[in-house]
Amino acid sequence: DVKVTQSSRYLVKRTGEKVFLECVQDMDHENMFWYRQDPGLGLRLIYFSYDVKMKEKGDIPEGYSVSREKKERFSLILESASTSQTSMYLCASSLLTSSGFNYGYTFGSGTRLTVV
Amino acid sequence: RKEVEQDPGPFNVPEGATVAFNCTYSNSASQSFFWYRQDCRKEPKLLMSVYSSGNEDGRFTAQLNRASQYISLLIRDSKLSDSATYLCVVTLQGGKLIFGQGTELSVKP
Repeated sequence: DVKVTQSSRYLVKRTGEKVFLECVQDMDHENMFWYRQDPGLGLRLIYFSYDVKMKEKGDIPEGYSVSREKKERFSLILESASTSQTSMYLCASSLLTSSGFNYGYTFGSGTRLTVV
Repeated sequence: RKEVEQDPGPFNVPEGATVAFNCTYSNSASQSFFWYRQDCRKEPKLLMSVYSSGNEDGRFTAQLNRASQYISLLIRDSKLSDSATYLCVVTLQGGKLIFGQGTELSVKP
């Protein structure tokens, strides 16, 4: 089974801090994604990447950046954490065939970030 | 209009009941379709893919109607362990997944 590992289960950071959330997958998937999930708002896509050093903005990229230096690792960076970024952050990876068929995502277990 | 809309829920059903969830999507170019299950404070996990011909996995049956842009999930003989939030998911070209808000199911003894 694909394993997607997020470095922290719970994090508490102060307003203004730079925060790094790490995600590693072990199945050589090209596609990796960062979502945040909030009550009543569902899952919202922050950034995604289809290849090393490649990144695309999702629906809510403001206040975030990403890094993908290696295929297996996709990092989410909160440049200056704010209380509005308190949320559950979920990383996912997927395999997309050349014909465009998607086998679905595998999610990491999530990082619950609290910004105080 | 949301790209993927689901029944608002919550659904409260007794054990053994049959329950159906519905989902509509707005982008006719959507390519792949899935149902995910999410337990409280856990990550979503793939329950099943949804194919045009319909597909069944034990007590779970998924249907897709491309003409109506409609997806359904039927759970027969509900178990207490089926209690979770069920997410309808569609993919766009290039692999981007769009999630519905989810429907909460609570199965009671």
